Amino acid sequence: GAVVSQHPSWVICKSGTSVKIECRSLDFQATTMFWYRQFPKQSLMLMATSNEGSKATYEQGVEKDKFLINHASLTLSTLTVTSAHPEDSSFYICSASGTATYEQYFGPGTRLTVT
Amino acid sequence: RKEVEQDPGPFNVPEGATVAFNCTYSNSASQSFFWYRQDCRKEPKLLMSVYSSGNEDGRFTAQLNRASQYISLLIRDSKLSDSATYLCVVNVYNTDKLIFGTGTRLQVFP
Repeated sequence: GAVVSQHPSWVICKSGTSVKIECRSLDFQATTMFWYRQFPKQSLMLMATSNEGSKATYEQGVEKDKFLINHASLTLSTLTVTSAHPEDSSFYICSASGTATYEQYFGPGTRLTVT
Repeated sequence: RKEVEQDPGPFNVPEGATVAFNCTYSNSASQSFFWYRQDCRKEPKLLMSVYSSGNEDGRFTAQLNRASQYISLLIRDSKLSDSATYLCVVNVYNTDKLIFGTGTRLQVFP
């Protein structure tokens, strides 16, 4: 149980374009989903917390107009990187939490390369 | 000071060795503690939660010292497949948010 999928697993796009990443909880309902970013040899950094049916809460320093998050259902959250630039190239990982135990289940991640 | 600090390693150990990782956290109000494992270019996977009384899962033993704000992970009888980065993770008080350490890299050699 507690399987989270992400799509696409990798994407290459040109500078200035937008990229949408989907995160799905496959066998449970996720009231809360989280979006992280990980640069090489660095820790996972939380970008935003997404609750179904409400606006996402962004961490300090994360531009909400650049990283659009939509959590339209209990099984799907999307992250759209708008007007991507090479410095946005990173490993984007989502996770889902469905219980009160603070455990999170991670998707396999999306490797974004902006050229 | 980082909120969760770990020795980055790498720890290079032979098969069968016992290896211990340490982690310190800065917020004394943190409630939940975890060890995750992350393989190269993959997502983190939960290895085990860490309880105040200490807990064991097969070859893995986790300990928590709230007074010192210190968490440890002991791996006995290391296997080649244990090679990975081990992430110390702490929750933000009264939230679902998690804070990740930068990880300790373990390389087990034959």
